Amino acid sequence: SQQGEEDPQALSIQEGENATMNCSYKTSINNLQWYRQNSGRGLVHLILIRSNEREKHSGRLRVTLDTSKKSSSLLITASRAADTASYFCATDDYTGGFKTIFGAGTRLFVKA
Amino acid sequence: KAGVTQTPRYLIKTRGQQVTLSCSPISGHRSVSWYQQTPGQGLQFLFEYFSETQRNKGNFPGRFSGRQFSNSRSEMNVSTLELGDSALYLCASSLGDTEETQYFGPGTRLLVL
Repeated sequence: SQQGEEDPQALSIQEGENATMNCSYKTSINNLQWYRQNSGRGLVHLILIRSNEREKHSGRLRVTLDTSKKSSSLLITASRAADTASYFCATDDYTGGFKTIFGAGTRLFVKA
Repeated sequence: KAGVTQTPRYLIKTRGQQVTLSCSPISGHRSVSWYQQTPGQGLQFLFEYFSETQRNKGNFPGRFSGRQFSNSRSEMNVSTLELGDSALYLCASSLGDTEETQYFGPGTRLLVL
């Protein structure tokens, strides 16, 4: 089963606009991570936010975490065509041993 | 440092065959995890190896197995292939502490006919 669920499933925007993706999860976490995947390739780690953090920035990325609502959001500002990719949130699951659980992902398409 | 490498990149097999995929982690990384990615099920955790021992395992049948060598390189094997095993298989490495960032390889795309 998947811990994180992203919303929306797909998003199409114009270059220069901001893109916001949301992730909800079910159980308590120690941290939450966001990854990007370009067209069926490997995942690239974007940012990690710990459960005691509320907001984190990295370049054009801003991630927020609301542990009371079990949700996180990823904001990409001033999007570029190169940001076209699938974005996944990932959380830790300690059921039966540690593993990372990925959400279904949001497919972002940035039109030039 | 060189990134995570996976071989082969593409593979075509027929039902009933077996397949072995290889993953070389980033130098110094002792943990290797394997994931299966399909359009229907998304990214699913297969197993994780640390210092040649399987430390964690996902909910996959026994046809899926793996191992890790002393140099941290890892292989996964799928026996008696089924059509539903067609997927992108990704491996990821990390230093070894839990909750760490994982670095992914480009994946092996397996097609079972």
